[in-house]
Amino acid sequence: QTVVTQEPSFSVSPGGTVTLTCGLTSGSVSTSNYPSWYQQTPGQAPRTLIYSTNSRSSGVPDRFSGSILGNKAALTITGAQADDESDYYCVLYMGSGISVFGGGTKLTVL
Amino acid sequence: QVQLQESGPGLVKPSETLSLTCAVSGYFISSGSYWGWIRQPPGKGLQWIGTTYHSGSTYYNPSLKSRVIISVDTSKNQFSLKLTSVTAADTAVYYCARLKRGTWYVDYWGQGTLVTVSS
Repeated sequence: QTVVTQEPSFSVSPGGTVTLTCGLTSGSVSTSNYPSWYQQTPGQAPRTLIYSTNSRSSGVPDRFSGSILGNKAALTITGAQADDESDYYCVLYMGSGISVFGGGTKLTVL
Repeated sequence: QVQLQESGPGLVKPSETLSLTCAVSGYFISSGSYWGWIRQPPGKGLQWIGTTYHSGSTYYNPSLKSRVIISVDTSKNQFSLKLTSVTAADTAVYYCARLKRGTWYVDYWGQGTLVTVSS
């Protein structure tokens, strides 16, 4: 069974840039996986950030951007702020109506 | 504005069936989006449970497929989740969601409801 991989944790300095990735244990991520990214703070429902690789959801600041880097999907945060400290999840569409979440990345801003 | 609201028992006994409903407002379920259920065990990550279309087509997480049924009631503008033979491992916050057709991402989330499996 293919697993979606994410870094378990990452840290970034305020004002810095960080790139989180989303890969597959078997194969490469492509735009056909329609990568999407979600931000979640404790006790809250997830918030949709990015869909279809690089489209920002309504109201999401442009310092959040998505891309394909090599064989992975990527979420880049430029000019990190304190309230970006959250868990970030990617989702990949695997075909036949099946989607899979990555394990999530806990981002610390310090 | 599209809104989704989960409802159902907060406590289910082991081996019984977990049943949740998601009421949709601000959008007709039959208008063309997909509808899904996602869960999150306490302190853990998100897990896709399954997705449905108003026509009745369903798609389930292979690891849960034998125990899951997702159905749609267009007359009540709601969709439902049934998970059979539950164990403590099914304790989680359950979210319902709307998925954008063709791009498979969640554009609207419910607030989530905690379901605890315990005797």
